Amino acid sequence: NAGVTQTPKFQVLKTGQSMTLQCAQDMNHNSMYWYRQDPGMGLRLIYYSASEGTTDKGEVPNGYNVSRLNKREFSLRLESAAPSQTSVYFCASSIRGNMNTEAFFGQGTRLTVV
Amino acid sequence: AQSVTQLDSQVPVFEEAPVELRCNYSSSVSVYLFWYVQYPNQGLQLLLKYLSGSTLVKGINGFEAEFNKSQTSFHLRKPSVHISDTAEYFCAVSDLLGSNYQLIWGAGTKLIIKP
Repeated sequence: NAGVTQTPKFQVLKTGQSMTLQCAQDMNHNSMYWYRQDPGMGLRLIYYSASEGTTDKGEVPNGYNVSRLNKREFSLRLESAAPSQTSVYFCASSIRGNMNTEAFFGQGTRLTVV
Repeated sequence: AQSVTQLDSQVPVFEEAPVELRCNYSSSVSVYLFWYVQYPNQGLQLLLKYLSGSTLVKGINGFEAEFNKSQTSFHLRKPSVHISDTAEYFCAVSDLLGSNYQLIWGAGTKLIIKP
């Protein structure tokens, strides 16, 4: 059982370039999330999708867009990368967005913008 | 909105010694609390969670945490650590975002095991 799979694992971009981070889960979860992790700041929610067909902004959505392609896949797009977007990005999923919901995480994408 | 404070950014401890990682949250209303662990170069995985009932919660790998409502704390403990416990530990609390509940995260505590 693969769980949550993210691609790519590493990426270096030049300022202004665009890219899409891919995420897929095989647990039939309804909710999916994109976080960024920066040293000393924990995880910050970028966007989430409570269910197929819906997406909503999280704490730090500026500079990003998302697509919930189907129930399995949730992609994150950087249209014009900036050095401030250098971070580790995690995709996560949960059965639904309830208070007691456990989140399952991918292994992360380490992005460097130069 | 909820906030989570992890009081120590790093905790060094000798192997086989006990350890406590501290976590405080902001609201005294009903909350669900979580501890996640992140091993080097990996994603996060659930260590334990408090939903209701007994205030002492046991998790994987010998960890436990105690929910203290009056002190709004959820500290993580282990009586004897091993080198394999080297990781970063995150405390999180559920909070309402829109019409769904999301996790609000602490900044993390790095557990450093000294041989």
